[in-house]
Amino acid sequence: DIVMTQSPLSLPVTPGEPASISCTSTQSLLHSNGYNYLDWYLQKPGQSPQLLIYLASNRASGVPDRFSGSGSGTNFTLKISRVEAEDVGVYYCMQALQTFFTFGPGTRVDIK
Amino acid sequence: QEQLVESGGGVVQPGRSLRLSCAASGFMFHIYGMHWVRQAPGKGLEWVAIIWYDGSNKYYANSVKGRFTISRDNSNSTVYLQMSSLRAEDTALYFCARQRGRSGFDIWGQGTMVTVSS
Repeated sequence: DIVMTQSPLSLPVTPGEPASISCTSTQSLLHSNGYNYLDWYLQKPGQSPQLLIYLASNRASGVPDRFSGSGSGTNFTLKISRVEAEDVGVYYCMQALQTFFTFGPGTRVDIK
Repeated sequence: QEQLVESGGGVVQPGRSLRLSCAASGFMFHIYGMHWVRQAPGKGLEWVAIIWYDGSNKYYANSVKGRFTISRDNSNSTVYLQMSSLRAEDTALYFCARQRGRSGFDIWGQGTMVTVSS
């Protein structure tokens, strides 16, 4: 199975400042079709997870443009251009290349 | 609106069985692959199983293979997770989620809690 790692695991942020989370996979997530099969999810406190980014860089419907995803192969990044208070929660990356989907351990983002 | 509603959770003894249901509404259920994902108390997300839109293919996490069975009824817009030989480590909040192609799990239910305890 593909193993996903994230860093940092905890990220205190200041509203209005940028934030970045890294995600690494043990195998390349680049498909022969040119797409990287990597998604990002946010689980806000007490809520179900919500899709932020799919195929590494595509924002899901309704996701603010302050969220962006980048990367290819085994290294990926989620960036928040200007953090807002509502962005607190746990961020997960997930590989969707293999049918045995695997999530990263999560990065907890909270306000300083 | 588009939504998924899980049910069937509860407290069950080790070794027993339980069936979870996930009812879909507000969208064309039969064109979506469906997943079960679980979250143990205080822990991260763990993918459990997938069933293709037409039920033709099913895949499972190694941790549940041979014990859990995913199925669906497109006429009733419902996906199921039959869990048998339950263990304490299966204790978790179980979510269902939909996926179209490789566009991510874009709709999630609220989850149903399963507690395996004697």
